Amino acid sequence: QVQLQESGPGLVKPSQTLSLTCTVSGGSVNRGGYYWSWIRQPAGKGLEWIGRIYSSGTTKYNPSFNSRVTISLDTSNNQFSLKLSSVTAADTAVYYCTRDLTVDGWFDPWGQGTLVTVSS
Amino acid sequence: QSLLTQPPSASGTPGQRVTISCSGSSSNIESNYVYWYQQLPGTAPKLLISRNNQRPSGVPDRFSGSKSGTAASLAISGLRSEDEADYYCVAWDDSLSVLFGGGTKLTVL
Repeated sequence: QVQLQESGPGLVKPSQTLSLTCTVSGGSVNRGGYYWSWIRQPAGKGLEWIGRIYSSGTTKYNPSFNSRVTISLDTSNNQFSLKLSSVTAADTAVYYCTRDLTVDGWFDPWGQGTLVTVSS
Repeated sequence: QSLLTQPPSASGTPGQRVTISCSGSSSNIESNYVYWYQQLPGTAPKLLISRNNQRPSGVPDRFSGSKSGTAASLAISGLRSEDEADYYCVAWDDSLSVLFGGGTKLTVL
């Protein structure tokens, strides 16, 4: 049974880069056929897809984030990571990592989420 | 503003049938699958319905999904107190992004 766990700093200063890691257990990030996504949720608000990475390393990003986001794969540690640059208070949110079974919205399972606050 | 429109709230009494709508367009719902997620308070979302109307293993048959044209809906029959949660519809959009609806908060009265 695949499980995901997010980790990273809970506080990031404005204009800096947010960096999070998702550790996958019970399955391999470089197994073909699966994608790995990041999704975020500001407090009291809805969900927003940030982007995904395929087992081959191919990425796809939400155009809203395109110039600021990088998702990468670390197969040796069975992890994938998110970097979001030039953050502002609007990037304060709970960030979830999830396995993406297709390319059209089939996310299962999800990590428990990690709160990242952007503040000086 | 989300391109998938859901009512912000819905409610029902135990045992009732409730439906939650999700309105989109030809570039998302009409031409792609719709997924539904349930988010209980303080927890991560959970897949409830895949590919318009498929229930993953473990999801009670009280939950059902449907789609017609540019709209989709989630129906919950035999409403229970534990169904009180936020519900989100999701679809791929041809603008090359996954879209989430704004979410519907379901209250069991």
